[in-house]
Amino acid sequence: EAQVTQNPRYLITVTGKKLTVTCSQNMNHEYMSWYRQDPGLGLRQIYYSMNVEVTDKGDVPEGYKVSRKEKRNFPLILESPSPNQTSLYFCASRPNRVEQYFGPGTRLTVT
Amino acid sequence: TQLLEQSPQFLSIQEGENLTVYCNSSSVFSSLQWYRQEPGEGPVLLVTVVTGGEVKKLKRLTFQFGDARKDSSLHITAAQPGDTGLYLCASRTEGGGNKLTFGTGTQLKVEL
Repeated sequence: EAQVTQNPRYLITVTGKKLTVTCSQNMNHEYMSWYRQDPGLGLRQIYYSMNVEVTDKGDVPEGYKVSRKEKRNFPLILESPSPNQTSLYFCASRPNRVEQYFGPGTRLTVT
Repeated sequence: TQLLEQSPQFLSIQEGENLTVYCNSSSVFSSLQWYRQEPGEGPVLLVTVVTGGEVKKLKRLTFQFGDARKDSSLHITAAQPGDTGLYLCASRTEGGGNKLTFGTGTQLKVEL
């Protein structure tokens, strides 16, 4: 089944404790991205990657890192999480300029 | 950064009613997409419109792209409880490359 998977789905952590949210797609898509979704603000892009070893900042990259060592994986790294990074995070991938597939989301709480 | 305004922000209706949600921008869209997101899941693409004035139908859903490609609407006929969800529009602007911008969404609740 073609899909985008994220892990973990839920995470509660404390300020400053490094964490990684994994994202994997099995559709051989070149383009992948990370979004955060907050009430009243909609989906905002954090980082995106157009291919292996090619990443770029989205609208809200501060406090986040990403890597794209393999085509299928695009992990999101929070080196020192803070409470304002409490949010619902989505990974997405797409094969072309139009259609985008989203993962199921990761709900992160930073206390 | 292009801003996409969606209205209304919230909509609660009875089963069988019709409704329309809107997506507007001050910039010209190169293409526009509508997504539906259900609780606990990621957004799922419903439709993409590309040509000004284009109308697409998906069962009881009718999507329209404005002639000037700066606005779009989603009309649902005879809404059902299964239509409940967050409806998001997203667009790429002309010259915007790969960047996809999302609207803030319309939260629809259809009650029996």
